[in-house]
Amino acid sequence: DVQLVESGGGLVQPGGSLRLSCTASAFTFSDYYIHWVRRAPGKGLVWVSRVGTAVSTTSYADSVKGRFTSSRDNAKNTVYLQLNSLRMEDTAVYYCARDSMRGGGFDYWGQGALVTVSS
Amino acid sequence: VMTQAPLSLSVTPGEPASISCRPSQSLLHSNGKNYLDWYLQKPGQSPQLLITLASNRASGVPDRFSGSGSGTDFTLKISSVEAEDVGVYYCMQPLHVPPYTFGQGTKLEIK
Repeated sequence: DVQLVESGGGLVQPGGSLRLSCTASAFTFSDYYIHWVRRAPGKGLVWVSRVGTAVSTTSYADSVKGRFTSSRDNAKNTVYLQLNSLRMEDTAVYYCARDSMRGGGFDYWGQGALVTVSS
Repeated sequence: VMTQAPLSLSVTPGEPASISCRPSQSLLHSNGKNYLDWYLQKPGQSPQLLITLASNRASGVPDRFSGSGSGTDFTLKISSVEAEDVGVYYCMQPLHVPPYTFGQGTKLEIK
């Protein structure tokens, strides 16, 4: 079965850094875009970043541009989200999700990784 | 901007429910398809895909869920609400990207 498993969440002080990982299995990883989506406490879903099949197709929400960096290692079936200059408003559960690539939505999601930014 | 209505819904089991999603830009592509997805996030779970391209049910989604609409006016309908349908429903547009934008979410509760 297709699986996405996030890791790397935790507690970090404002201004600090964290790296999330999303490891995939049971599909041809290199053929798919992977997205990061977050949900802050009491808020709705917000798209954060897309990692394309090529590095040049990575994109970001304005709220994280210049602070977050997405990358992928196809040999490890893993996508990374590097979170720098963290703010309290970045506190959220971060999900990775697979783009079906057929106009068919984000068809598989990970279980989520909690990032808490607090002093 | 994706505007959902209502933001909360309380429904008796067996009754129908309907959620509206109005994007600020048309989601009708020149290929004739409407690029609008619906997701459900159940309590304590990750989001799950319900509907793609405005009206296509994702794999495994019960047929009591249906999507309709075109351009700037879309609707998700549940023909007969069940207890397991509780959660927050989101529409999302994957056409005018980046960014991919979600609606505010509609919380469905059971009476």
